[in-house]
Amino acid sequence: EVQLLESGGGLVQPGGSLRLSCAASGFTFSNYAMSWVRQAPGKGLEWVSAIRGSVSGTYCADSVKGRFTISRDNSKNTLYLQMNSLRAEDTAVYYCAKGRLEWLSDSDYWGQGTLVTVSS
Amino acid sequence: QSALTQPASVSGSPGQSITISCTGTNSDVGGYNYVSWYQQHPGKAPKLMIYDVNNRPSGVSNRFSGSKSGNTASLTISGLQAEDEADYYCSSYTSRYTWVFGGGTKLTVL
Repeated sequence: EVQLLESGGGLVQPGGSLRLSCAASGFTFSNYAMSWVRQAPGKGLEWVSAIRGSVSGTYCADSVKGRFTISRDNSKNTLYLQMNSLRAEDTAVYYCAKGRLEWLSDSDYWGQGTLVTVSS
Repeated sequence: QSALTQPASVSGSPGQSITISCTGTNSDVGGYNYVSWYQQHPGKAPKLMIYDVNNRPSGVSNRFSGSKSGNTASLTISGLQAEDEADYYCSSYTSRYTWVFGGGTKLTVL
């Protein structure tokens, strides 16, 4: 059974940093792309960033470029999102999602999300 | 990257069919057959319902179908059931090596 468990969310002040983690199990982690998708309170889904399975390649939305960095440790079956220079508009539930393929892929499994609140 | 355009809400009675549209540009929906649809119930994580325009993942009811014409993709749900009431989001790969979601459509089963 595929499981994705996000952690690391919480309350942070504007300008601060946070690192989210997503522990994956139930599939061969390195064979699949992984993504982060966020959802602000009461709003729609917003794609944040994605990373290829085993080949080098990371991509992110313009709204977080230069501030967020996606990475993965295939030996630990874990996905990360390093978030720096956080802004109020980054407040959202952050979902970790498994790609259906190694790349160019939608997401067939999602975690339950971790809430990030940026506020003073 | 601008969000894809979806109607804010649609509604239908049990047993009826509804269609949700998703309009993009030549740089996303119209340029690639990488359109997917997600269902999200309140307080829950999204669930993949359609991928690559018109393919259903294993376990998804065949009452759900997808299509695309030009820059507009569509999700059709036939034989509406109460459990279909949820928010639906389309998503597309883009020419900038990114993905973009639609604004979401709230489906109400009357």
